[in-house]
Amino acid sequence: EPEVTQTPSHQVTQMGQEVILRCVPISNHLYFYWYRQILGQKVEFLVSFYNNEISEKSEIFDDQFSVERPDGSNFTLKIRSTKLEDSAMYFCASSVKWQGTDNEQFFGPGTRLTVL
Amino acid sequence: QKEVEQDPGPLSVPEGAIVSLNCTYSNSAFQYFMWYRQYSRKGPELLMYTYSSGNKEDGRFTAQVDKSSKYISLFIRDSQPSDSATYLCAMRNTNAGKSTFGDGTTLTVKP
Repeated sequence: EPEVTQTPSHQVTQMGQEVILRCVPISNHLYFYWYRQILGQKVEFLVSFYNNEISEKSEIFDDQFSVERPDGSNFTLKIRSTKLEDSAMYFCASSVKWQGTDNEQFFGPGTRLTVL
Repeated sequence: QKEVEQDPGPLSVPEGAIVSLNCTYSNSAFQYFMWYRQYSRKGPELLMYTYSSGNKEDGRFTAQVDKSSKYISLFIRDSQPSDSATYLCAMRNTNAGKSTFGDGTTLTVKP
């Protein structure tokens, strides 16, 4: 069964450093998302992406964050200058569509980001 | 008031019990309702997906949506120890891809 994959599974970085989290969405999916989950808290939406553009973003997704689809398979989240409060699990998700049928979002296993 | 409120738990039941997990919400624009299962430090796994009001059954799982009361439920019949996980409700409106999640309910099914 096709699934969303994410790398790395765990990333440790120093405060102020840039990190790039990588995702490979399900191959026939067109809509891509990033969510995060701080330890012990709920899953929070960061951004949605379609046709090489951001469709929607939350207030968390400030200028320190960016997303990119650098090729036909990868979808990345970049944090330019990490802060301690960026420590969280980051989940990538994808869906075939955005509305109507086939808009279920399937999540990857996550990348645990630890900022020291 | 939170947009999505989920019964906090934790919930502990014996094997074979019927489990009821519940969420309420305040945004009447929500049209898509999902239940995800999440094991510790893993990604959410989609269990049930419902559009608008009504019931949906899949094996031992039944999802109910009551839009008039802004209330959704997930029932698990004949619960198994392998059902032990955190269950997340999530919702979306028709105009956005953003899913809004509840805080999660941790379920333990004891053999």
